[in-house]
Amino acid sequence: AQSVAQPEDQVNVAEGNPLTVKCTYSVSGNPYLFWYVQYPNRGLQFLLKYITGDNLVKGSYGFEAEFNKSQTSFHLKKPSALVSDSALYFCAVRVLNTNAGKSTFGDGTTLTVKP
Amino acid sequence: DTGVSQDPRHKITKRGQNVTFRCDPISEHNRLYWYRQTLGQGPEFLTYFQNEAQLEKSRLLSDRFSAERPKGSFSTLEIQRTEQGDSAMYLCASSLDRDYNEQFFGPGTRLTVL
Repeated sequence: AQSVAQPEDQVNVAEGNPLTVKCTYSVSGNPYLFWYVQYPNRGLQFLLKYITGDNLVKGSYGFEAEFNKSQTSFHLKKPSALVSDSALYFCAVRVLNTNAGKSTFGDGTTLTVKP
Repeated sequence: DTGVSQDPRHKITKRGQNVTFRCDPISEHNRLYWYRQTLGQGPEFLTYFQNEAQLEKSRLLSDRFSAERPKGSFSTLEIQRTEQGDSAMYLCASSLDRDYNEQFFGPGTRLTVL
């Protein structure tokens, strides 16, 4: 079975400060890892993904994430937060080479960036 | 608009009624997924299609739920004899082939069962 944990329901940061949204996963096999963002009254939007290779991946809107195999983590980061980054963030995992469509999502972390 | 579309956006029904939702994926996407999302939780996988073939179904998908994707284009999700516990946001997503491709989500259909 595969699972994703986002240990923080809420993250609050001041504009201009760095932000981190945490994600840990559990799978049998090698993972594909994804981050999605959900703005109010809008569908989930893809931010970035880790497939293989460099552990640091860069995505949309200045976000990046670091894959750490030993800690089974894939934390989302941004060096300088914007008020417009305030949204609900989901981490998701899929297992490599199973040809299975299933993605497992975490329960989400609400990011609030205050001016 | 070339994104994923879902219809209707909102559905209110009485317990015991049947409802059907439609999803139109991005045209070149082979894969189509259905998820259910309730407040405070992430999307929960229901089922997925590769072209017209339904390849995987979650145990969440009881026998009251059925999904189709005729001709590998749009998909429908039907819920028979709705229950109050079916109230949720139903999300559709599509992607290119291969597990490493990201999914593109529609805006969802919010179902309220009274």
